[in-house]
Amino acid sequence: DTGVSQDPRHKITKRGQNVTFRCDPISEHNRLYWYRQTLGQGPEFLTYFQNEAQLEKSRLLSDRFSAERPKGSFSTLEIQRTEQGDSAMYLCASSAGTVEAFFGQGTRLTVV
Amino acid sequence: QKEVEQNSGPLSVPEGAIASLNCTYSDRVSQSFFWYRQYSGKSPELIMSIYSNGDKEDGRFTAQLNKASQYVSLLIRDSQPSDSATYLCAVITGNQFYFGTGTSLTVIP
Repeated sequence: DTGVSQDPRHKITKRGQNVTFRCDPISEHNRLYWYRQTLGQGPEFLTYFQNEAQLEKSRLLSDRFSAERPKGSFSTLEIQRTEQGDSAMYLCASSAGTVEAFFGQGTRLTVV
Repeated sequence: QKEVEQNSGPLSVPEGAIASLNCTYSDRVSQSFFWYRQYSGKSPELIMSIYSNGDKEDGRFTAQLNKASQYVSLLIRDSQPSDSATYLCAVITGNQFYFGTGTSLTVIP
């Protein structure tokens, strides 16, 4: 399967802990996006990469969030000192430029 | 003003009917438009893309785009219970995908 892959699918963590999620995009896609989605809401943009360059980051994203895409391949999203409000589905998507984006299955984070 | 607005619904239609989903967007320079389907607890799945004014048909789905009115719609013909899901409208403006909050559709057998 050459779709977008995210790991882990589910993560339960205690408040204050750090968590890291991984996304492997479709291999020929140069753009990679991270979104967060809570119940009843549409996906909320967090950040996006074109190849290895992080070109935009949401103003809503606190300094506890950081993302990387070394070598323009997979990407990681780290959340430091997690809070209960960070509980959400974290979605990764990739695209070949400004065309269709395809989503991974998401990582559901629960902060207890 | 939100970039993309959708009626959250819920929208209920009987099986076999046409479901009509609507979306408006705020930025006139937006060039690319998409409809995603999202089942509860799952990630969004692309079902249609449209880039130019007019209609685009794919099976039971028809996307309609009117750039002058900044309006995108999705018609689902012969609706099936398996079409019951949340439908997300997405627009590319600049380098970002903006999503609406989604319209919940229920197809009643």
